[in-house]
Amino acid sequence: AQSVTQLGSHVSVSEGALVLLRCNYSSSVPPYLFWYVQYPNQGLQLLLKYTSAATLVKGINGFEAEFKKSETSFHLTKPSAHMSDAAEYFCAVSGRLTGGGNKLTFGTGTQLKVEL
Amino acid sequence: EAGVTQSPTHLIKTRGQQVTLRCSPISGHTSVYWYQQALGLGLQFLLWYDEGEERNRGNFPPRFSGRQFPNYSSELNVNALELEDSALYLCASSLGSGGGTEAFFGQGTRLTVV
Repeated sequence: AQSVTQLGSHVSVSEGALVLLRCNYSSSVPPYLFWYVQYPNQGLQLLLKYTSAATLVKGINGFEAEFKKSETSFHLTKPSAHMSDAAEYFCAVSGRLTGGGNKLTFGTGTQLKVEL
Repeated sequence: EAGVTQSPTHLIKTRGQQVTLRCSPISGHTSVYWYQQALGLGLQFLLWYDEGEERNRGNFPPRFSGRQFPNYSSELNVNALELEDSALYLCASSLGSGGGTEAFFGQGTRLTVV
């Protein structure tokens, strides 16, 4: 079974500071990995995804994530936080098993707060 | 291009009632997924429909059911509502059903059971 673990349910950073949101995965086969963002009372928006083409993945809004197989991690980073980045972030995994579709298994989410 | 649309956006139901939620996928998308986002439980996979067939379901009781229509729109039905069914129900669609395919989410339906 696949799963993801997000360390830190709440992260607070100052505007302009580095954003680092942690995600570790568990999978018996190389997974597909995703980061989604959710603003209050809205659905999820895809930030970026890893599908094995490149270990460093660049996404929207200046976010990027690095797939590290040795650490089973897929941490999300942004060099400089902006007030508009305040939201909840979800790491998710889907499998490569035939017939599994693109069912996503989500982490518990990390609420990012950006302070002046 | 229109995104994934869900209706209604909010509704309040009484325990024991039945509810139907609707989802229209992005044009051309054949796969529809339903997720439940309940307070304290996170995002949980409910159902996956592709080409009109139910392909997979999550760990939910049979009173959660649905269907996909020939135009690929989908309904989620919940019978005998319980208080713990209060949640945001999210629908997502994707072009094809392969793993790694981007899923586009709707804004969700906020269900409150009283």
